[in-house]
Amino acid sequence: NAGVTQTPKFQVLKTGQSMTLQCAQDMNHEYMSWYRQDPGMGLRLIHYSVGAGITDQGEVPNGYNVSRSTTEDFPLRLLSAAPSQTSVYFCASSYEGKPEAFFGQGTRLTVV
Amino acid sequence: AQSVTQLGSHVSVSEGALVLLRCNYSSSVPPYLFWYVQYPNQGLQLLLKYTSAATLVKGINGFEAEFKKSETSFHLTKPSAHMSDAAEYFCAVSSGYSSASKIIFGSGTRLSIRP
Repeated sequence: NAGVTQTPKFQVLKTGQSMTLQCAQDMNHEYMSWYRQDPGMGLRLIHYSVGAGITDQGEVPNGYNVSRSTTEDFPLRLLSAAPSQTSVYFCASSYEGKPEAFFGQGTRLTVV
Repeated sequence: AQSVTQLGSHVSVSEGALVLLRCNYSSSVPPYLFWYVQYPNQGLQLLLKYTSAATLVKGINGFEAEFKKSETSFHLTKPSAHMSDAAEYFCAVSSGYSSASKIIFGSGTRLSIRP
């Protein structure tokens, strides 16, 4: 099983550029989430989805968009990158009957 | 609202010594509690979880945690530290199975092991 796969692993953007962080899971999990990790702040929830076609905001949604057209994929879009979005981004998935989340390996994003 | 507080951003112990990482939570409903471990440049791996069954929970790599409702705590322990335990540890809380997509994390504790 591949589990949760994130691409790319590393990315450098210029301020104002847009990009999409990809996340795919092959476990047929209903729930998917995006977190950002910053030093001393743990992981903060950006957006989450409880199923295809359903998304909602987390703690820090500003500057990010998501969509969930299929169960497997949950892309995170940065419309106009800012240096404050420099972070490590983690995608996670989970399913009804298990309370914990399974994480991808992360995407390290630098905005210059 | 739920929240997690991890006491101590950095803990250093000698190899073979007791490891104690502290976590306190706040939740308006019975919580589900987790400890995750993150090794350098990797994702998060579940160490153990509390889901309202036994209050003493055993996890992987010899770690365990005890849920104490009266103290709103879920501290992580290991009797004897090993060099391979050096990593960052995160305590986390959610409000239930259907809320697995909304896990709230603490700020993390970096564990260092001295030879």
